[in-house]
Amino acid sequence: GAGVSQSPSNKVTEKGKDVELRCDPISGHTALYWYRQSLGQGLEFLIYFQGNSAPDKSGLPSDRFSAERTGGSVSTLTIQRTQQEDSAVYLCASSLEIGPSAQHFGDGTRLSIL
Amino acid sequence: AQSVTQPDIHITVSEGASLELRCNYSYGATPYLFWYVQSPGQGLQLLLKYFSGDTLVQGIKGFEAEFKRSQSSFNLRKPSVHWSDAAEYFCAVGVGRDDKIIFGKGTRLHILP
Repeated sequence: GAGVSQSPSNKVTEKGKDVELRCDPISGHTALYWYRQSLGQGLEFLIYFQGNSAPDKSGLPSDRFSAERTGGSVSTLTIQRTQQEDSAVYLCASSLEIGPSAQHFGDGTRLSIL
Repeated sequence: AQSVTQPDIHITVSEGASLELRCNYSYGATPYLFWYVQSPGQGLQLLLKYFSGDTLVQGIKGFEAEFKRSQSSFNLRKPSVHWSDAAEYFCAVGVGRDDKIIFGKGTRLHILP
């Protein structure tokens, strides 16, 4: 597609459930990023994929968070045993190449944990 | 450690007035600098970027920013704001060759009619 696509746009789930968030980057973009944006906060880096290299997981807040990128394209962010503090907007971005290049963002998934 | 500071959480200006949003960064080398805008319920849209060369950078929607190395600043400006400019603005710095970007906490711009 023309831009970064994220699904679902909204997700409401009960505490303790697992959730999967999907990101479809811009075709041809080799780098993919996940960020978390909590209310009134900036963007918190979570994880970064570049080509076939091992992902940079340094921003993942706990071992309940994981992500994978299949075939160098679509990525899935999984949160296990969700907690209320996981409620946030999860943004995905992709970029054409390794630095410097601008990141292009999807519209995000708004996750609400009841 | 690298950081980005946007000292103003909220800014209110009248429609037609000029605008300057402040951004200061902390990074040892020459940074890659960005300004993004986020409208409610949407992702971030790139306004402009600085990688090298001319320190005055022109962006979309009539915005510009100036890189001042001596002040470690990259302030965003617009000569005359429109009501549609009301949004949240994020300054960001790219660090290292792996394209990781550090974002400021954002400045929310309010426009008075």
